[in-house]
Amino acid sequence: DAGVTQSPTHLIKTRGQHVTLRCSPISGHKSVSWYQQVLGQGPQFIFQYYEKEERGRGNFPDRFSARQFPNYSSELNVNALLLGDSALYLCASSGTAGKLFFGSGTQLSVL
Amino acid sequence: AQKITQTQPGMFVQEKEAVTLDCTYDTSDQSYGLFWYKQPSSGEMIFLIYQGSYDEQNATEGRYSLNFQKARKSANLVISASQLGDSAMYFCAMREGRAGGGNKLTFGTGTQLKVEL
Repeated sequence: DAGVTQSPTHLIKTRGQHVTLRCSPISGHKSVSWYQQVLGQGPQFIFQYYEKEERGRGNFPDRFSARQFPNYSSELNVNALLLGDSALYLCASSGTAGKLFFGSGTQLSVL
Repeated sequence: AQKITQTQPGMFVQEKEAVTLDCTYDTSDQSYGLFWYKQPSSGEMIFLIYQGSYDEQNATEGRYSLNFQKARKSANLVISASQLGDSAMYFCAMREGRAGGGNKLTFGTGTQLKVEL
C-alpha cells in the first residue's frame, strides 16, 4: 500500500506570493494533519482535519489555511509568503489506532 | 513549558552495539500517546514506535523498543544492534488526549545519532 504522498517535493517562491501544498493520506485514513519544520528544529503543528472538518489549529497566522476533500486528500495554502515561511512542510495521516505516519515533505524556499 | 525534553543533542554508538535515546515528557492528561520518529538527511519523518499511556507492556518494533516509565514520565528509545543506516536525527513526540481524538503532536528538539564502524 502507498504511504502518505506529498507534492511537490521542492518549491521556490518569492516574498508575497501564494503557495499550495498537497497531501494524499494512506488509504483508509480519514485524518490529515500538517506540520512545519524549520531547519534545526522539531516539527510544529499547523492544522488537523478529520472528515473534512478542521479539528485543531496551531499558533500560525491567518495566512495559513487548509482544507480536506471528500477523498480525504488535503491542501495547505499559504498567502503573502514571508522569508520565515521557508521550511519543510510535513503532512501526516492517521487511522483509528492512533499512529501517525508522515510523508516525505515539501521543501519550501522563499526568496 | 516544554512538554517533550530530549537532553542529548548528539550521540555516538559503535556498529552492532545498543544505544538508548532519552525522552521525558510532561502532561496532566491521563490519556496520551508517545512516539519516536527517525529523520534521515533526506527529510522524511519515519515512524518507529508508539506507546499508549494505558499500554501495560513496553512497545517493541523489531530492533526498536520503548522503555516506558510512567511514574518518571520517561519514554526512552532503545535501538539494539545498531547499523550504519541508523545514523539520523531521532525525535520523541507526544499526543495529548485519546487516540483518534486529535493529531496534534508536540515534538522534542531531537537527538542526532551517529553510528560508527
